Amino acid sequence: DIVMTQTPLSLSVTPGQPASISCRSTQSLLDSHGNTFLYWYLHKPGQSPQLLIYEVSKRFSGVPDRFSGSGSGTDFTLKISRVEAEDVGVFYCMQSTQLPVTFGQGTRLEIK
Amino acid sequence: EVQLVESGGGLVHPGESLTLSCLASGFTFSDFYMTWVRQAPGKGLEWVANINQDGSARYYVDSVRGRFTFSRDNARNSLYLHMNSLKAEDTAVYYCVRWVRALDFWGRGTPVTVSS
Repeated sequence: DIVMTQTPLSLSVTPGQPASISCRSTQSLLDSHGNTFLYWYLHKPGQSPQLLIYEVSKRFSGVPDRFSGSGSGTDFTLKISRVEAEDVGVFYCMQSTQLPVTFGQGTRLEIK
Repeated sequence: EVQLVESGGGLVHPGESLTLSCLASGFTFSDFYMTWVRQAPGKGLEWVANINQDGSARYYVDSVRGRFTFSRDNARNSLYLHMNSLKAEDTAVYYCVRWVRALDFWGRGTPVTVSS
């Protein structure tokens, strides 16, 4: 199974400041067709998880452009250019290049 | 609007069975793979199973294979997760999710508690 490791596991950020989360996989997520199935989700308190970024760097419908994803192979990053109070929750990376689908442990974001 | 509504969760004893359901609307259900994802109390997200569009192919995480069965009824826009031989570690909120390689739309989840 591909293991996904996120760092840090928690973040405390002042509104308006940037934040960055790293996600590393134990195997390359690049498949034989040149696709990389790496995703980012945010699980807000009391809500269902929501898709933020798909295929490394594409923002899902309705996701603010202050969220961006980058990376390749085994190293990926989610950046928030200016954190807002509504971003509180747990961020997860996920791979679906290979079954079983696996998630990172989650990174909890709190607002200072 | 895509909607996924889970039902069937509850409290069961270890070794017992339970069936979860998910009713889908707002999209052509039979065109999509579907997924169950769960979250145990205080833990992260865990993928449980996938099913293809006509139900002929199913994939499970090792910890549930042989105990859980994922099925669908495209005429009823419904999914089912039959859970047998339940264990305490199956305690979680179970989410029904649409699969497009990404998990793009999620239900609100249904809680399952396995306890004596």
